[in-house]
Formats: sequence, structure tokens, C-alpha cells
Amino acid sequence: DGGITQSPKYLFRKEGQNVTLSCEQNLNHDAMYWYRQDPGQGLRLIYYSQIVNDFQKGDIAEGYSVSREKKESFPLTVTSAQKNPTAFYLCASKNPKTVLINNEQFFGPGTRLTVL
Amino acid sequence: AQKVTQAQTEISVVEKEDVTLDCVYETRDTTYYLFWYKQPPSGELVFLIRRNSFDEQNEISGRYSWNFQKSTSSFNFTITASQVVDSAVYFCALSSDYKLSFGAGTTVTVRA
Repeated sequence: DGGITQSPKYLFRKEGQNVTLSCEQNLNHDAMYWYRQDPGQGLRLIYYSQIVNDFQKGDIAEGYSVSREKKESFPLTVTSAQKNPTAFYLCASKNPKTVLINNEQFFGPGTRLTVL
Repeated sequence: AQKVTQAQTEISVVEKEDVTLDCVYETRDTTYYLFWYKQPPSGELVFLIRRNSFDEQNEISGRYSWNFQKSTSSFNFTITASQVVDSAVYFCALSSDYKLSFGAGTTVTVRA
């Protein structure tokens, strides 16, 4: 079945450690996105990538880094520079080739990161 | 800049009641898309409906219906005859170019 997978579902890390969140999709989508969700708030865009080997900062990119070496994968690293990393992280993808007709993003199940 | 406002933080209803969720948006773009997503307790966002800025026709899809009014920049969403399984957080979102802007979400609780 086609879809987006994120692993792990729950992640615990000590303060000061870098941690990498996985996002894989087999939908053959060119564009991929990372969002952060805090309690009682909507999603905020961290980074996005429209094509392999290219990515752009979103609204809250500080303290995060990404790579896009393969079309299927868009890992997010939460660095020690991120001051408040505990949150729910959602990955999404979209096929921009159909932007005039179908512009919705498809989301993965999310990773809940807790920094102790 | 784009902005989406969902003024209702929480709504609680009894099963079979109708639920209407309000959404107001701001954008300078002339071409954009509006969406409603559902986030059940599991956390994954589920796409519900989409409307583009050129189509103000309101529609009904099963128990879901929406009212898009460009003149007031509103995109309201109604669940008819609510069920317990409708309990979730509902997000309104606005898209132009490649980015989505989300509202803060409305938590809907449907009691049996």
C-alpha cells in the first residue's frame, strides 16, 4: 500500500543530544514537508523540499536540519540548538505536478519527541 | 502573509446533533486552496475536503458539507448527525504555492 511512514512513533532523548526523525514515502511524490505541532496549536512548517537535493526553510527552521538525497526520504534532525524540541512532528508529501487540480498534502502518523 | 483563524477552541455535542466549524482566512493571493483536515487521537492528519478559490459552490459529501464565501473569507464546515467517531481535532488550512498554513484547530467532542 502507498503511504508515508514515520519512525519511531515515540522518541525520548536527553537534553543536548541531536536526534533524527525518519520519514519515508512510496507515493512517488516530489514534494515533502516537516511540521511541528504543539498542544493547542496548529501545525507550523519547519522545512520543505520540492525536489531531490533541494530544500527550503519554513517558518520555524532554527535548530533543525534536513537532507533530501532520495526522492522517498526526507529525514529531520533536531539539533541541540533547538531550545524547546519536545513536540509532535508530522511529515507530509505532495505531488506538485498536479498543483492545479489536487493540492492536498498527505500526512504520516507522526513522531512524538520528548526531551528529558 | 497568510493567516487562518479558527475562533472555536472546543465544541461539545451530543450524538446526532449537527456541528458547524468556523474558519476565516487571510491571503493576498488570487489563486489558493482551502482544506479541512481531521486529526483523531492517533495523531495522523486525515484529508477531508478541498475547495479552490475559483469555485464557491457549496457541496455536500455524505455527512460533511461546507460553505465557502469568498466575500467574507470564510470556509465553514458542517458535520451532520454527528457520531462518536467524529470526535477529533479539526484543522482548516490555506494553501498557495507549495505551503500550507493551518488554523489552531477546533476540538470536537461527540458524547453518546
